[in-house]
Amino acid sequence: QQQVKQSPQSLIVQKGGISIINCAYENTAFDYFPWYQQFPGKGPALLIAIRPDVSEKKEGRFTISFNKSAKQFSLHIMDSQPGDSATYFCAASLITGGGNKLTFGTGTQLKVEL
Amino acid sequence: DAGVTQSPTHLIKTRGQQVTLRCSPKSGHDTVSWYQQALGQGPQFIFQYYEEEERQRGNFPDRFSGHQFPNYSSELNVNALLLGDSALYLCATGGLTGELFFGEGSRLTVL
Repeated sequence: QQQVKQSPQSLIVQKGGISIINCAYENTAFDYFPWYQQFPGKGPALLIAIRPDVSEKKEGRFTISFNKSAKQFSLHIMDSQPGDSATYFCAASLITGGGNKLTFGTGTQLKVEL
Repeated sequence: DAGVTQSPTHLIKTRGQQVTLRCSPKSGHDTVSWYQQALGQGPQFIFQYYEEEERQRGNFPDRFSGHQFPNYSSELNVNALLLGDSALYLCATGGLTGELFFGEGSRLTVL
């Protein structure tokens, strides 16, 4: 019940296009859903996060869409740029008094071509 | 404002040895978590410390242990190293909001 499934494994998008990455979770107790961006040799950087009480959150070119009934959420990158080429991880957790333990998806390698 | 800092950045050990990795949290953060990221995989939760106590633990053997100091910094210790312990070890720190911020990691190679 702790799994987070992520797709696609890799994605190639033309510059200016929309990149879409999807995730599905099983544990209905999860209450926090972040997305991380990771460049080679670097640690994951927090991009954007959402709680299950909203269906969409937008920050700049990045949007999370959340479907609680389907237990799915997705990241949309508008106007994709070559600098967005990186590995993207979705994650989910239950924030408790004991802290925040993230369960990560398997990652999506995004390449934005000129 | 310094972010999460980890040391060392790279290290090489041989099987059976022991290793200690260090993490200083982002200013204002009092919770420290450790994750293991194998090549091409997502990070896997090892354990989390708050108020100098281990609060949650993932599916890692007792060879993995940790400590949190009064200044909130933390150490990860791995004993009796195996080849399979080769990975990027990430420290993540957080505060009241629940957001977690990662350091750049310590790349461990076990020969």
